[in-house]
Amino acid sequence: ETGVTQSPTHLIKTRGQQVTLRCSSQSGHNTVSWYQQALGQGPQFIFQYYREEENGRGNFPPRFSGLQFPNYSSELNVNALELDDSALYLCASSLAGVSATEAFFGQGTRLTVV
Amino acid sequence: AQSVTQLDSQVPVFEEAPVELRCNYSSSVSVYLFWYVQYPNQGLQLLLKYLSGSTLVKGINGFEAEFNKSQTSFHLRKPSVHISDTAEYFCAVSEDSSASKIIFGSGTRLSIRP
Repeated sequence: ETGVTQSPTHLIKTRGQQVTLRCSSQSGHNTVSWYQQALGQGPQFIFQYYREEENGRGNFPPRFSGLQFPNYSSELNVNALELDDSALYLCASSLAGVSATEAFFGQGTRLTVV
Repeated sequence: AQSVTQLDSQVPVFEEAPVELRCNYSSSVSVYLFWYVQYPNQGLQLLLKYLSGSTLVKGINGFEAEFNKSQTSFHLRKPSVHISDTAEYFCAVSEDSSASKIIFGSGTRLSIRP
């Protein structure tokens, strides 16, 4: 196990609703990245947080937003849910500024939008 | 911009046979290269990474990969596969050695036949 935990593991939401996903990063890591993995596809980078500020964003609309807290845990918020938002959402933690490290992934949250 | 192409969406092989999963990348800057494995209903686990140095990289579970800069390839190999290797494999690149912003390929599903 990596030490990165995500909650909840599964949830079902209705189109138009809002959702918050949570990620607890590995001890000692100061960076959290979020990814969306649609069925049968590779993960797509959503955004990254470093020291509580957004530090890079992929091609996702503003209704995808996030937070990072002083303990480096993080939230992903998605507003106005659409059916295409159904996916596995993965978070990964890493330590910025140190070379030869790896990103550790959580087990993911499976979001289904109906 | 970076991109990753995994040339095979599915690779069926017999148990104890060798396997090669192909990966090509494109980038205008130096990149770091990774292979991740995803078992059913789980997150991503790092198999191996190339940051610098020797172009032949050895990873966990008997896998290895060779970085070829002239061909912009990073193919994954294993001399003898086991049923337990059945999974989805993702090739990935990052401009960041801590792999905090990762661009993934679309994945290759490795299925092992007894």
